[in-house]
Amino acid sequence: QLQLQESGPGLVKPSETLSLTCTVSGGSISSSSYYWGWIRQPPGKGLEWIGSIYYSGSTYYNPSLKSRVTISVDTSKNQFSLKLSSVTAADTAVYYCARPLMGATKRPDGWFDPWGQGTLVTVSS
Amino acid sequence: QSVLTQPPSVSEAPRQRVTISCSGSSSNIGNNAVNWYQQLPGKAPKLLIYYDDLLPSGVSDRFSGSKSGTSASLAISGLQSEDEADYYCAAWDDSLNGYVFGTGTKVTVL
Repeated sequence: QLQLQESGPGLVKPSETLSLTCTVSGGSISSSSYYWGWIRQPPGKGLEWIGSIYYSGSTYYNPSLKSRVTISVDTSKNQFSLKLSSVTAADTAVYYCARPLMGATKRPDGWFDPWGQGTLVTVSS
Repeated sequence: QSVLTQPPSVSEAPRQRVTISCSGSSSNIGNNAVNWYQQLPGKAPKLLIYYDDLLPSGVSDRFSGSKSGTSASLAISGLQSEDEADYYCAAWDDSLNGYVFGTGTKVTVL
């Protein structure tokens, strides 16, 4: 059974870079049928897609975050990572990693399943 | 702000039926599959419906999805207290070239 687990600092200072890693277990991150993605949820608010990456390194980013986001993959460790630069209090959220299906058009336009349990990242000095 | 609009909340008595709407446009719902997620309090979202109306293994058949044009709906029949959760629709958006979630709907069982 595929499982995803987020890890990283729970507290980040304003203007610094948020860094999280998602470790995939029970399956290979090099699967040809799936991308790997990040979604976040500010406290008490809705879900926001951040971006998705294929094992080859191909990425799709949310246009509203694109200038600050980098998602990378390490197939040797079966992990993928998120970096969000120049963070502010508005970036405080629970960050989830999840697996989106790759659609017929080769985009990560399928459903997200499974999801990690999420990790709260607070931006504060 | 989300491009998929849902009602903030719906409520109904146990054993009744509720429907949650999800309104989008031709660039998302009108041209791509809709997925629905259930988020129980304090938990990660879970896939509830995929490809507009398909149920993943293990999901109760009290849940059903439908789509017409640029709108989609999630129905929950035989409402139970365990169905109290937030529900999100989602779809790929061709204009944004990204995945978009709905605004979310809180379901309360009276």
